[in-house]
Amino acid sequence: GAGVSQSPSNKVTEKGKDVELRCDPISGHTALYWYRQSLGQGLEFLIYFQGNSAPDKSGLPSDRFSAERTGGSVSTLTIQRTQQEDSAVYLCASSPIQAHNEQFFGPGTRLTVL
Amino acid sequence: SQKIEQNSEALNIQEGKTATLTCNYTNYSPAYLQWYRQDPGRGPVFLLLIRENEKEKRKERLKVTFDTTLKQSLFHITASQPADSATYLCAPGNKLVFGAGTILRVKS
Repeated sequence: GAGVSQSPSNKVTEKGKDVELRCDPISGHTALYWYRQSLGQGLEFLIYFQGNSAPDKSGLPSDRFSAERTGGSVSTLTIQRTQQEDSAVYLCASSPIQAHNEQFFGPGTRLTVL
Repeated sequence: SQKIEQNSEALNIQEGKTATLTCNYTNYSPAYLQWYRQDPGRGPVFLLLIRENEKEKRKERLKVTFDTTLKQSLFHITASQPADSATYLCAPGNKLVFGAGTILRVKS
């Protein structure tokens, strides 16, 4: 079946602009995660959605970052007033299980802030 | 805070040999530990999960050990192949934290 998809695959923006990144999880997966990966670095957790529960936003680096998950499916990560340090690959993952294991990752969106 | 350490230097081995990657963690006691593979330009792919009551787990040419006393997991790839070349990430427990990964290069 279809895996996790993300769009766009690449995004180049100017400093100060807002960007929206989209994630389509695997159908039926109740958990959805956003991570950020800078060049040569590990995954940095950003936000986690589980069913109808309040999201875990503990990883968001600043109030410029926000995310929504509509209808328990598609999620959008929004970065307002982008800064050059926001440049990274943003990865989305989904999981059918609540316990954070066996996550299925999308291909990522490479964000470049000029 | 939780800390995860993986070999920071790339591991270069000859085809056919066994590759061994290390994951050490501190400041928490995970009930399980996961290993993922990541190829350049792609998202990580789940490989194996080992629970705290399992000392060893195998899947085809992969073997993972989990020593909760040492707070360490070892990831082995036997009869390694050039196609095994990738970055391998460990993720201990139900904290949303991944190690930075170890690059494995298998040369033919």
